[in-house]
Amino acid sequence: ELKVEQNPLFLSMQEGKNYTIYCNYSTTSDRLYWYRQDPGKSLESLFVLLSNGAVKQEGRLMASLDTKARLSTLHITAAVHDLSATYFCAVDAYTTSGTYKYIFGTGTRLKVLA
Amino acid sequence: DAGVIQSPRHEVTEMGQEVTLRCKPISGHDYLFWYRQTMMRGLELLIYFNNNVPIDDSGMPEDRFSAKMPNASFSTLKIQPSEPRDSAVYFCASSHDRVTYTFGSGTRLTVV
Repeated sequence: ELKVEQNPLFLSMQEGKNYTIYCNYSTTSDRLYWYRQDPGKSLESLFVLLSNGAVKQEGRLMASLDTKARLSTLHITAAVHDLSATYFCAVDAYTTSGTYKYIFGTGTRLKVLA
Repeated sequence: DAGVIQSPRHEVTEMGQEVTLRCKPISGHDYLFWYRQTMMRGLELLIYFNNNVPIDDSGMPEDRFSAKMPNASFSTLKIQPSEPRDSAVYFCASSHDRVTYTFGSGTRLTVV
């Protein structure tokens, strides 16, 4: 069964601090996505990682992908209150039934305290 | 481009009633996905279509749920009869290349 797990599930951090969110997945995939969701809103695409070793950065967020370890990280540098949201990773993986599935992780609810 | 359009934005219905959720994908996108989001289960893939054909419906919870895509510009997700445990936010998403995905604003369904 394809599983995508994130940790931590909840993260409360002070402004100015650094932290990393981890996304582990259970099957082979070279496509990993990160999204942001604000309360009551839809999902906003942050990063698309398409190969092993891919690294992308936007502002205070940086995402990386290690396909051999089946691990992606979302690193937050010098957090600010505006980054408070729920962050999801998603994996596009080929299944044993011969189809692709686009599966989301459990989500990490981030709260940045002033 | 207006993006992925879902309707209605909010739906409140009584248990046992039929509910139909609608989605208009971005023109030219030949993949369409339906997701359900709840606090307990997170974002679950229900079904997806490619060129209007259902490819994987293994996430559809039970026979009360059905989805159709009669043409490239319209899809429906129907629940009949609805139950309180179906209360959730239902998202539709579309893609043309399985690299870039665009999500709709969602339909918040409440079954009382």
